[in-house]
Amino acid sequence: GNSVTQMEGPVTLSEEAFLTINCTYTATGYPSLFWYVQYPGEGLQLLLKATKADDKGSNKGFEATYRKETTSFHLEKGSVQVSDSAVYFCALTGAGGGNKLTFGTGTQLKVEL
Amino acid sequence: GAGVSQSPSNKVTEKGKDVELRCDPISGHTALYWYRQSLGQGLEFLIYFQGNSAPDKSGLPSDRFSAERTGGSVSTLTIQRTQQEDSAVYLCASSLQAGVAYNEQFFGPGTRLTVL
Repeated sequence: GNSVTQMEGPVTLSEEAFLTINCTYTATGYPSLFWYVQYPGEGLQLLLKATKADDKGSNKGFEATYRKETTSFHLEKGSVQVSDSAVYFCALTGAGGGNKLTFGTGTQLKVEL
Repeated sequence: GAGVSQSPSNKVTEKGKDVELRCDPISGHTALYWYRQSLGQGLEFLIYFQGNSAPDKSGLPSDRFSAERTGGSVSTLTIQRTQQEDSAVYLCASSLQAGVAYNEQFFGPGTRLTVL
């Protein structure tokens, strides 16, 4: 079946540091890939997505590139801010299945001044 | 415009009682999804609806769990004879249509269920 593996947290960074959160996946066919974010006390929000190989999703300074050869979708940001502190979830939707999301375990990010 | 709403926001119940959780999707969204977020299991899919039909119920953990959707809108997730392991945040999401990858799923705030 489909699965998503993402790096364990929590991750603590200083403001303006570079962020990478690793995500790899297992899926049949050609899944679509997503990063969702959950800010403290808020619901899940879509951060970015990529629907085919070599696509780059980007939003709010975050980027992730769909790498089929390495089955990866790593999240990056060049300069994090305190306001980026949240839990980040990598997810995929597989072929068929009505686009139900399969999530990774989530990575908590804390950005300090 | 209104987003996905869920009620109640919090529910505390005693072991063995039945509970009903409600989800109001975004108007016009034909697909509706239920997920569960728990400490031990992370975020897991439960069931989805396209219109009033549920093509995939594979994530429901036991026959104590059921869901229905009426009028292509509101959905209710029912848990019978609740157990402590049912304690979790139950999330609902909706999208324009299932089966289309770029149709974003919009999530509600969740219902936090605590079974004592």
